[in-house]
Amino acid sequence: AQTVTQSQPEMSVQEAETVTLSCTYDTSENNYYLFWYKQPPSRQMILVIRQEAYKQQNATENRFSVNFQKAAKSFSLKISDSQLGDTAMYFCAFTYTGTASKLTFGTGTRLQVTL
Amino acid sequence: EPEVTQTPSHQVTQMGQEVILRCVPISNHLYFYWYRQILGQKVEFLVSFYNNEISEKSEIFDDQFSVERPDGSNFTLKIRSTKLEDSAMYFCASSPVAEETQYFGPGTRLLVL
Repeated sequence: AQTVTQSQPEMSVQEAETVTLSCTYDTSENNYYLFWYKQPPSRQMILVIRQEAYKQQNATENRFSVNFQKAAKSFSLKISDSQLGDTAMYFCAFTYTGTASKLTFGTGTRLQVTL
Repeated sequence: EPEVTQTPSHQVTQMGQEVILRCVPISNHLYFYWYRQILGQKVEFLVSFYNNEISEKSEIFDDQFSVERPDGSNFTLKIRSTKLEDSAMYFCASSPVAEETQYFGPGTRLLVL
């Protein structure tokens, strides 16, 4: 069974600073996908970034980037130039290749961006 | 931009009552999912659906739950006899192919009294 671990329940960062959220996972699969989802107070689940395990290059989306270390089974999210709107719960998630593959989520990291 | 929609946004029901949560996935998507999130906890998988049948279900998805795609657009989750512990946010998601990104709806907040 796949597991996703987020060891930081809460984090805080000042506006315009950089913050890194940690995620580790455990799987015996070789082909899989990793995601970061953002959940603001509205509780909508919003995709932040996605990484395919077969790609060595780390994914980036504007101010968001990941550090994907396949051997270490680590998938951290870096948010640069933090903005107040980044305040949210961030969930790391995993899915493997296959028919209608479910997402397995971590417990989340609550990020607070302060002035 | 196409999006997943869910109705109702909030539902309050009495224990033992049946509820139906509705979702309209993105139109060209083929894979559909239901997840739930109890307040303060992580998001948990309930069921996946493809080609008009269940592909996978979790231990949570017991006999009181059922899913249906009654027409070409809607995807429903039925809870036959609600329990207090069914109170949660229920998310519908869809994806175009199996490994592609799952796009989530805004959720239905269910409260069982």
